[in-house]
Amino acid sequence: QKEVEQDPGPLSVPEGAIVSLNCTYSNSAFQYFMWYRQYSRKGPELLMYTYSSGNKEDGRFTAQVDKSSKYISLFIRDSQPSDSATYLCAMSQTSGSRLTFGEGTQLTVNP
Amino acid sequence: GAGVSQTPSNKVTEKGKYVELRCDPISGHTALYWYRQSLGQGPEFLIYFQGTGAADDSGLPNDRFFAVRPEGSVSTLKIQRTERGDSAVYLCASSLGGMNTEAFFGQGTRLTVV
Repeated sequence: QKEVEQDPGPLSVPEGAIVSLNCTYSNSAFQYFMWYRQYSRKGPELLMYTYSSGNKEDGRFTAQVDKSSKYISLFIRDSQPSDSATYLCAMSQTSGSRLTFGEGTQLTVNP
Repeated sequence: GAGVSQTPSNKVTEKGKYVELRCDPISGHTALYWYRQSLGQGPEFLIYFQGTGAADDSGLPNDRFFAVRPEGSVSTLKIQRTERGDSAVYLCASSLGGMNTEAFFGQGTRLTVV
């Protein structure tokens, strides 16, 4: 069983929809949780970073962490065609240590 | 440059050959990471440097893989006796280190072993 599970999709939504992306994990030692966006043939870029449980909002993006359920989510409001990319969840045990990534969810937002 | 630079962007090599992949981190970043990403998968950790030393090399798959960072800046990932299964995108990331965990990724080197 993988340490981090993420539905690979693909996920296709109309422009303006609310998108929900999720990951589950098995290692309770994870404390730092991140969401990366990766466009085709590019490196991942950090979208959201959260320490421990709670919510964090940045513009159209909201990240949620529920450590009791070992479940993290990323919500995208008013989705745009430019949001079409692969979204990767990632987590680490300590600050600056190795990241463990999910498989990535491929998202397409249709105009 | 402003970002993490990786060279070459593409590398095709024959099975059994030796390859070197280079990473130039963001200036001032003390932490440097190598990951490998196979098609349709998330990046998989290989090795992490803090300064010149390898703080965690537990992700290196076998002794054909080796990485160095002799002056605490540029890093080279070296693969000996390449195999077709080594074909992947090799990603490098850097961060300020310490309590700052924001890692910035390069565009990767796409390695194809034929």
